[in-house]
Amino acid sequence: AQTVTQSQPEMSVQEAETVTLSCTYDTSESDYYLFWYKQPPSRQMILVIRQEAYKQQNATENRFSVNFQKAAKSFSLKISDSQLGDAAMYFCAYESNFGNEKLTFGTGTRLTIIP
Amino acid sequence: EPEVTQTPSHQVTQMGQEVILRCVPISNHLYFYWYRQILGQKVEFLVSFYNNEISEKSEIFDDQFSVERPDGSNFTLKIRSTKLEDSAMYFCASRSGGKAFFGQGTRLTVV
Repeated sequence: AQTVTQSQPEMSVQEAETVTLSCTYDTSESDYYLFWYKQPPSRQMILVIRQEAYKQQNATENRFSVNFQKAAKSFSLKISDSQLGDAAMYFCAYESNFGNEKLTFGTGTRLTIIP
Repeated sequence: EPEVTQTPSHQVTQMGQEVILRCVPISNHLYFYWYRQILGQKVEFLVSFYNNEISEKSEIFDDQFSVERPDGSNFTLKIRSTKLEDSAMYFCASRSGGKAFFGQGTRLTVV
């Protein structure tokens, strides 16, 4: 079974600065997807970014980018130019390319933005 | 932009009562899911649904739980006899194009 580990329960960053959230995972599969989801206080789960394991190029979505290290099974999220609206819980998630594409989530990192 | 819609947003029920949580997935999606998040914990997979049947379920999804898609648009999760430990946020998701889209969740409180 796959596992996802987020070792930083909480992080904080000054507004306009850059912050990196860590995620590691364990799998024996070679083909899979990785995601970062944002959960603001409203508790809705919002997709931030997606990475296909077969792609070497790191995914980027505006101010959000990932550092995907397949051999190390590491998938960190970098948020540039942090904004107050970025304050939320961030969950890393793994999805196998085999089976029913269910998501396995990490325990989350609570990100606080300091004005 | 199409979105997944869940109702109600908050449900309070007495222990032992049945509850039905409702979801309207995005219309052209084929894969549907229920996830659960107990307060302060991570999001956990409950069940996946494809082609009008359960394709996978977790250990959490015992005989107290059932899902159905009664009319081709709604996707429901029924808990037959609620327990205190069923109190959680329940998320519906539908999937297409390699991405899962979540509803805003139903907060279930069992008293």
